[in-house]
Amino acid sequence: GENVEQHPSTLSVQEGDSAVIKCTYSDSASNYFPWYKQELGKGPQLIIDIRSNVGEKKDQRIAVTLNKTAKHFSLHITETQPEDSAVYFCAAHAGGTSYGKLTFGQGTILTVHP
Amino acid sequence: DAGVIQSPRHEVTEMGQEVTLRCKPISGHDYLFWYRQTMMRGLELLIYFNNNVPIDDSGMPEDRFSAKMPNASFSTLKIQPSEPRDSAVYFCASSLVSDTQYFGPGTRLTVL
Repeated sequence: GENVEQHPSTLSVQEGDSAVIKCTYSDSASNYFPWYKQELGKGPQLIIDIRSNVGEKKDQRIAVTLNKTAKHFSLHITETQPEDSAVYFCAAHAGGTSYGKLTFGQGTILTVHP
Repeated sequence: DAGVIQSPRHEVTEMGQEVTLRCKPISGHDYLFWYRQTMMRGLELLIYFNNNVPIDDSGMPEDRFSAKMPNASFSTLKIQPSEPRDSAVYFCASSLVSDTQYFGPGTRLTVL
């Protein structure tokens, strides 16, 4: 089955700096890669996603890049703010018989210091 | 639009008791997922349904866990008997046809 590795496990930045979180996946059939943000006491919330026919997608201060050849994708947050502090999860979705099933990375705890 | 609704939000029970967690997916969504989150194991998919039919329950830890979806707007996850190692946050998520999953607020379960 699919395996998703996420790095780093913790990331500490100063307000205004950029943050980058990287994930690799194992199943070349995976075709959808969402990123979730989870704040304390809440469920994961989708912040951005990318599909295998696109190399990069941007939404204001966040962007995601995908390299299908290398089987890795990354989340980029620019001009970080204290409210960006949370746990971020990447995930990969494979088609075929696993349709509908997401495999999550282990999460990155992002702390943005004012 | 209401999101995914879960109840209860918190549950404290004693070992050996039956626990039932409830989920109402987003109206019109045809996939429903149950996850468990712990510090040690992260987010684990337990089971998921498509059009009320269980598709993959390979993540269900053992026979003490069971899940049902009697109709498109309601699902339950039951643990009987509960054990302290079942303590975790349980999330329900739903999606429409494709792959974008929307999570509920979770149920924090503590088994003493």
